[in-house]
Amino acid sequence: DTAVSQTPKYLVTQMGNDKSIKCEQNLGHDTMYWYKQDSKKFLKIMFSYNNKELIINETVPNRFSPKSPDKAHLNLHINSLELGDSAVYFCASSQVGLQGSNEQFFGPGTRLTVL
Amino acid sequence: RKEVEQDPGPFNVPEGATVAFNCTYSNSASQSFFWYRQDCRKEPKLLMSVYSSGNEDGRFTAQLNRASQYISLLIRDSKLSDSATYLCVVNKGSNDYKLSFGAGTTVTVRA
Repeated sequence: DTAVSQTPKYLVTQMGNDKSIKCEQNLGHDTMYWYKQDSKKFLKIMFSYNNKELIINETVPNRFSPKSPDKAHLNLHINSLELGDSAVYFCASSQVGLQGSNEQFFGPGTRLTVL
Repeated sequence: RKEVEQDPGPFNVPEGATVAFNCTYSNSASQSFFWYRQDCRKEPKLLMSVYSSGNEDGRFTAQLNRASQYISLLIRDSKLSDSATYLCVVNKGSNDYKLSFGAGTTVTVRA
């Protein structure tokens, strides 16, 4: 029943490690997103894929690499984790309509802590 | 200037009160406006879209003022369950895929 799911929910790891977060949506949407929400609560877009094609790539270190094997999945791989990567990462999906409306549905978030 | 600015609050109100707050946006080309709600340690969820003519959904009323580039949210007859952070969301110009989120306005409704 879950519309947008993410795994894992919590991730605690050491600096320098490589980790991945997975996201899946069963809403049939064409577009998926990764957001980062830091301690100040700002939600910032990182990447977006539409039908497996990268359409948004904000200023994000190239240690972050998204991968979309199909339009229902968008994974995020992070190399050489740094302390500043600690945040909550939200996956979202949407279906941009003819009127341009873009209601985004969010996953439960992955709380990443880098020690 | 931030793309979307909100008064962080907190707004502490008693049950049954009316609470209202605004947010301002910087890009005059923005076309889509939303209010999302985020509970503590949860994901954001769409509360309502904001239409040019203003719109109401039960106890919630949203208004858009394009000339002054702000949107507002009013909550009538506040319930304890309305306690949350309310995120103002605006699309980035004509790009329908890019949404800019405000940092949120925290509302606490007390018994």
